[in-house]
Amino acid sequence: AQSVTQLGSHVSVSEGALVLLRCNYSSSVPPYLFWYVQYPNQGLQLLLKYTSAATLVKGINGFEAEFKKSETSFHLTKPSAHMSDAAEYFCAVSEGALQGGKLIFGQGTELSVKP
Amino acid sequence: NAGVTQTPKFRILKIGQSMTLQCTQDMNHNYMYWYRQDPGMGLKLIYYSVGAGITDKGEVPNGYNVSRSTTEDFPLRLELAAPSQTSVYFCASRAAGDGNEQFFGPGTRLTVL
Repeated sequence: AQSVTQLGSHVSVSEGALVLLRCNYSSSVPPYLFWYVQYPNQGLQLLLKYTSAATLVKGINGFEAEFKKSETSFHLTKPSAHMSDAAEYFCAVSEGALQGGKLIFGQGTELSVKP
Repeated sequence: NAGVTQTPKFRILKIGQSMTLQCTQDMNHNYMYWYRQDPGMGLKLIYYSVGAGITDKGEVPNGYNVSRSTTEDFPLRLELAAPSQTSVYFCASRAAGDGNEQFFGPGTRLTVL
């Protein structure tokens, strides 16, 4: 069965510092991987996704993630944090369409940005 | 396009009451999903549907029912509400095909007292 582990339920960085949110997955088949962001009292918004086209994926708001098969990782990074990046971030792995395209989510990482 | 809409936004139920959470999407997506979100637990899949008339259980289906009579609507029914069903519920939809992302609604915050 597929699973996702996000290391660190809370991450705090200073404004302008590097953001690194860690995600490891387990999958018996080539996965589809996603990062979503959730702002307070809102639904989830897609940041970026990996669908095997390129290992380095660029998303919205300056975020990017690198798929590393050998490490079964899909860590999310942003070179310079902004106050508006404070939110909860979810990594998810998808089963294929034949399995209903279901998402398996990690437990989430709350990002705080200090002035 | 409104995307995925959910009603109500908030609801308080008493133990044993029932209610239906509404979900509608206007993107003509075949696939629809219901998740619940509890603090520190991520999102757990309750039920999903791959098309009108077809539904299947997810990871945590007990205490819930769904139906899918149209492509647009995917209501979630709670029968005999219990405190364990206090949660935030999200509906999502996606287009057919591998690798397509899910689009989420704004959520319904439910409290069972």
